[in-house]
Amino acid sequence: QVQLVQSGAEVKKPGASVKVSCKASGYTFNTYAITWVRQAPGQGLEWMGWISVYDGDTKYAQKFQGRVTMTTETSTNTAYMELRSLRSVDTAVYYCARVAVVAANPSFYYYMDVWGKGTTVTVSS
Amino acid sequence: EIVLTQSPGTLSLSPGERATLSCKASQIVTSTYLAWYQQKPGQAPRLLIYGASSRATGIPDRFSGSGSGTDFTLTISRLEPEDFAVYYCQQCGGSWTFGQGTKVEI
Repeated sequence: QVQLVQSGAEVKKPGASVKVSCKASGYTFNTYAITWVRQAPGQGLEWMGWISVYDGDTKYAQKFQGRVTMTTETSTNTAYMELRSLRSVDTAVYYCARVAVVAANPSFYYYMDVWGKGTTVTVSS
Repeated sequence: EIVLTQSPGTLSLSPGERATLSCKASQIVTSTYLAWYQQKPGQAPRLLIYGASSRATGIPDRFSGSGSGTDFTLTISRLEPEDFAVYYCQQCGGSWTFGQGTKVEI
């Protein structure tokens, strides 16, 4: 079945970096994009950015520009999200999700149809 | 950036009742870019509705979406016990954004 399996929980010190992985299975990896969404404790969902697996094109939320890098490794069907210069407010659950882009003449549907279970990142001194 | 404002913040209802959730955008949102997600405690979000009104695979027909422009609505016709959760609207135009969520509680 289609699934995204994320890496395990991380504990980092302020100023460090974290790299979260998201391994896809059950579908052709390069026919969908991957997006990353985070959720701080007790808070709502926050979009971080997305990457086209097909051509590597990325779009990041302005808030994270310069601090986040999203990549993919097609040989292993894995997407990665690296966040640098961590601070305590980055403590959150980080989700990857598959993005479907479906033609809907003359526009496109965009939606996140498959989600990973999330990776907890704790930033604490 | 398009801001999505959901109301009410919390909806207190009983099983069998109808739930109407609102999502208002600060600018016009292309309908094909508007989706709704359900999230239960400790779980990842789940896609319910895409393109403002199309149900995702496996979603019961008691869930329906409507709206266009800046006003969108998610309706749950008859609440089942498993429907009590937090619901988010989300748009994919330019910089993607989520609403702040509506909690549907018993």
